[in-house]
Amino acid sequence: ETGVTQTPRHLVMGMTNKKSLKCEQHLGHNAMYWYKQSAKKPLELMFVYNFKEQTENNSVPSRFSPECPNSSHLFLHLHTLQPEDSALYLCASSQDPLLAASTDTQYFGPGTRLTVL
Amino acid sequence: GQSLEQPSEVTAVEGAIVQINCTYQTSGFYGLSWYQQHDGGAPTFLSYNALDGLEETGRFSSFLSRSDSYGYLLLQELQMKDSASYFCAVRGDTGRRALTFGSGTRLQVQP
Repeated sequence: ETGVTQTPRHLVMGMTNKKSLKCEQHLGHNAMYWYKQSAKKPLELMFVYNFKEQTENNSVPSRFSPECPNSSHLFLHLHTLQPEDSALYLCASSQDPLLAASTDTQYFGPGTRLTVL
Repeated sequence: GQSLEQPSEVTAVEGAIVQINCTYQTSGFYGLSWYQQHDGGAPTFLSYNALDGLEETGRFSSFLSRSDSYGYLLLQELQMKDSASYFCAVRGDTGRRALTFGSGTRLQVQP
């Protein structure tokens, strides 16, 4: 248990569906992240939020829409996805690594295994 | 841009020592991290090196040489439960919070 929870753990959706992934952290962190992990590929950063503000968007297609209502919650809204979007979506949190004395430690949730049919 | 290279697979026997290397290219450098991920699980933090040298945490040690853009993770007294994927990661660019991860090294520990 890392203090970061994600729901749902598994999701199957059609290409025309709209769904949302939820992430919650109980660690008092300021920064939250979405990563995509596909088979045989490195973890790919999607978005970074710090104090609810999006600070990085790694050229993610607009069919992925993040939302960060507060420092503890992060959502990823999905619509009109493609089969190649099937992957494990991981949420992580950390103290702001731009602050002094940071060790860059990120705490990951268990992920949502997404299958797009 | 940033890139990291690490071997895709390593096999070792219980009780042995294994070293997983990582070379990186970054425009800046703040530190090299290592994460472990078991099949079906989330990545978990193992170690972090910001300065040259060896950091030891129990059976695991991590080394960094900034001049060589190189680091390694050393696992001693291997146990079956150490079978997992190991990722190195850097936060290299000024002002960025995100980590860039290597493609991972799958370690298989055999009896």
